[in-house]
Amino acid sequence: GNSVTQMEGPVTLSEEAFLTINCTYTATGYPSLFWYVQYPGEGLQLLLKATKADDKGSNKGFEATYRKETTSFHLEKGSVQVSDSAVYFCALNRDDKIIFGKGTRLHILP
Amino acid sequence: EAGVAQSPRYKIIEKRQSVAFWCNPISGHATLYWYQQILGQGPKLLIQFQNNGVVDDSQLPKDRFSAERLKGVDSTLKIQPAKLEDSAVYLCASSSLAGRAEQYFGPGTRLTVT
Repeated sequence: GNSVTQMEGPVTLSEEAFLTINCTYTATGYPSLFWYVQYPGEGLQLLLKATKADDKGSNKGFEATYRKETTSFHLEKGSVQVSDSAVYFCALNRDDKIIFGKGTRLHILP
Repeated sequence: EAGVAQSPRYKIIEKRQSVAFWCNPISGHATLYWYQQILGQGPKLLIQFQNNGVVDDSQLPKDRFSAERLKGVDSTLKIQPAKLEDSAVYLCASSSLAGRAEQYFGPGTRLTVT
């Protein structure tokens, strides 16, 4: 079946550090891929998405590239800020069903 | 544009009691979703509506959970009777149409069953 696996958290980094959160997926066909972010006390927000192989989604300095050959969609940011502290969810949409990973909590220290 | 509204934000009940959650989607969004998010896990789809019809309720525990969207706008999710394992955040989301359209999420209702 379809599934998403992302790295365990929490991830703790200092401000301005480079961020990578790994995400791999298993799916039939060609799903759309997403990263959602959940700030404390708020609902999930779409951070970025990619709908086909080799697409790069980007937003707020975050990027992720849809890699079909490695079935991956790793989230990266070159210089994190304290305000990036949140829980990040990798997800796929296949046949209008969104399947989420378990989430990775990110702490950024000033 | 107003976002997805949910109420209440928090609810504490004892096991075997009943509880209901309300969701008002973004105006004009035909598709509405209810998710259950257990602590430490990603959201899991419970039910999906297209207008006032159910598209998918395959993961809804129908012996205790029910949901309706009578007029194709707002929706209620009910649990009766609640169990300890129902403690979770219940998220409502909506999208303008089914398929690859972005889903917009409400703030959620945190349910604690004691």
